[in-house]
Amino acid sequence: GQQLNQSPQSMFIQEGEDVSMNCTSSSIFNTWLWYKQDPGEGPVLLIALYKAGELTSNGRLTAQFGITRKDSFLNISASIPSDVGIYFCAGRNTGANSKLTFGKGITLSVRP
Amino acid sequence: GAVVSQHPSWVICKSGTSVKIECRSLDFQATTMFWYRQFPKQSLMLMATSNEGSKATYEQGVEKDKFLINHASLTLSTLTVTSAHPEDSSFYICSARASSGYEQFFGPGTRLTVL
Repeated sequence: GQQLNQSPQSMFIQEGEDVSMNCTSSSIFNTWLWYKQDPGEGPVLLIALYKAGELTSNGRLTAQFGITRKDSFLNISASIPSDVGIYFCAGRNTGANSKLTFGKGITLSVRP
Repeated sequence: GAVVSQHPSWVICKSGTSVKIECRSLDFQATTMFWYRQFPKQSLMLMATSNEGSKATYEQGVEKDKFLINHASLTLSTLTVTSAHPEDSSFYICSARASSGYEQFFGPGTRLTVL
């Protein structure tokens, strides 16, 4: 099935640094979501975006829904060791049978 | 709120046996539940969508007779991997969408290893 594009596959940053992750699609989505997955766990919802252009924050996390509805970014500020994990973007359209389309994920490593 | 549990968290079985995985929404009613599988270092791949009281809808390429899904109540869905083989070894994750809501909440996953 269709996947969203996330790259690079891995990112390595120093504790305290900011990091930005981008997610793009060839198709329009009405909702963009960002999830974090720790090893051996299920994904946890970080931020949900429902409107083109929307900018939403959750603590040190900020995400934006692109104006074209084909992209989104997630920014993590002042990274800490527990930010380590896999970050997935997901897109969804409206409708009773709407399904999530996931990106391949970005593995974030934070050096203390 | 919005907690989804899975049981068991891991299971090891012999080839040819069947394994049942439970997914429960603990503090909300879920009209729709989704089953995903995830291979190492890969993304989540949707296997099927189940609506309470009706037959599950399977994604293309997923064998419905091999992966039996039952969504008998608003808080419980089960996935049974029948006649499991080593290639079925994977991380299986369910998610649930509240009847009154819009977002999906994921369970902690079940690691299946078939010997």
